[in-house]
This record gives sequence, structure tokens and C-alpha cells, in this order.
Amino acid sequence: DAKTTQPTSMDCAEGRAANLPCNHSTISGNEYVYWYRQIHSQGPQYIIHGLKNNETNEMASLIITEDRKSSTLILPHATLRDTAVYYCIVRPTYNNAGNMLTFGGGTRLMVKP
Amino acid sequence: DAGVIQSPRHEVTEMGQEVTLRCKPISGHDYLFWYRQTMMRGLELLIYFNNNVPIDDSGMPEDRFSAKMPNASFSTLKIQPSEPRDSAVYFCASGTDNSYEQYFGPGTRLTVT
Repeated sequence: DAKTTQPTSMDCAEGRAANLPCNHSTISGNEYVYWYRQIHSQGPQYIIHGLKNNETNEMASLIITEDRKSSTLILPHATLRDTAVYYCIVRPTYNNAGNMLTFGGGTRLMVKP
Repeated sequence: DAGVIQSPRHEVTEMGQEVTLRCKPISGHDYLFWYRQTMMRGLELLIYFNNNVPIDDSGMPEDRFSAKMPNASFSTLKIQPSEPRDSAVYFCASGTDNSYEQYFGPGTRLTVT
């Protein structure tokens, strides 16, 4: 499985966009990039995933570089409730299990008033 | 839907005692996962089931740990005998082949003294 590298922590002002980077330079052609987050004392929560194209949903946008070696999760208008640890995960799609997730250290995002 | 349900939410026990953690997955989900989270090791997969059958238990730390899924709506993770190093938050998650998401429960915080 491809490994990911994320900054340990980041700060963001409330109301501003939060841009969380992730490097996955060894990603394979059939591997998806997933983002989960974990708010304090809760279980992880799915945010978004993508393969090649940029993706957007009601929570966030995912920008994947053309070479797929890195990606950025964008929270367009961060709120205090977005304070959490954000995990970037690369998941193989050939796996018959279909749903394996390997969590790394993640980025601790602190949204400040 | 109530989501993934875990019980108890908190468990404090003495070293050597048996501990049983319980999980009720989301109805209709055919995958169930047990994770453990510690400060030192982060979030790691212990075991997962597909259609009530254990598929991969390579993450189970040792023979003191066992997991069962007697039916589609219930799973247990048992530790016998428990040790202080088993202190962690244990998460259960469920999912399906048709969904890219894993849905996590609120976790059980286990403290072994």
C-alpha cells in the first residue's frame, strides 16, 4: 500500500479556508485517496475520496495533482467544529476485502476564533 | 438509523480480568471492523468480518484477544486476561461493498489498572 505524509499540525482562522496537504508519492494507478477526520472523543468520520479528478461534496473539496503524487483537502469556510485530526489514506481498490483502511498520524487542525 | 452502537462506552477493570466489548453494526452492512487507538500506535485495525466470517485477524495483538460475530447484528471483542498495556479506545466500524465509507461507532475507552 502507498504511504502518506502529512504535516503534524496546522492552524486556521475561523471563516477562512483550511488547506490540508498530503503527499503520496508511491501511489499506484488504481489507488484512491481518502480523507477521514476524527473530532476529539469521537470515531473517525468519512469526508471525501477521489481517484484522479477533483471532487467536491457538502463537507469539502479534494484537489489531486495531475501526477497523483499529492493532494489537498480544502475546507472552504472552517468553523470551530472543524477542529479535528484529519487523515489522508490511500486505499487499494484491488483488495477483495474492499474496505481496508490504514490510518497514519494525520494532521491536527486547530481552527481559531 | 442509530449508527454503529458500542457498549460499554467506558470500562475500567483490573489486570487479569476478562473484558468484553460489544458492537452492533448498521443494519444491512456486511463488513464489520474492530480498531484500537492508542497514543503510541495511533489507530490500527485489529480484525474484520465479512458476512459474519473473520477475514483478516493479522492485527490482533496476541492470543489474549478474540473476536466473534455470531450474527449480522452483533460482534464482541474479548480480552482475557487483560493487561495494563491493553488500555486504549476500541472502535467498531461497519460498511458495505457498495459504499466507500466505513461508519465508526463512538468507541469504548478501556482502562486496565
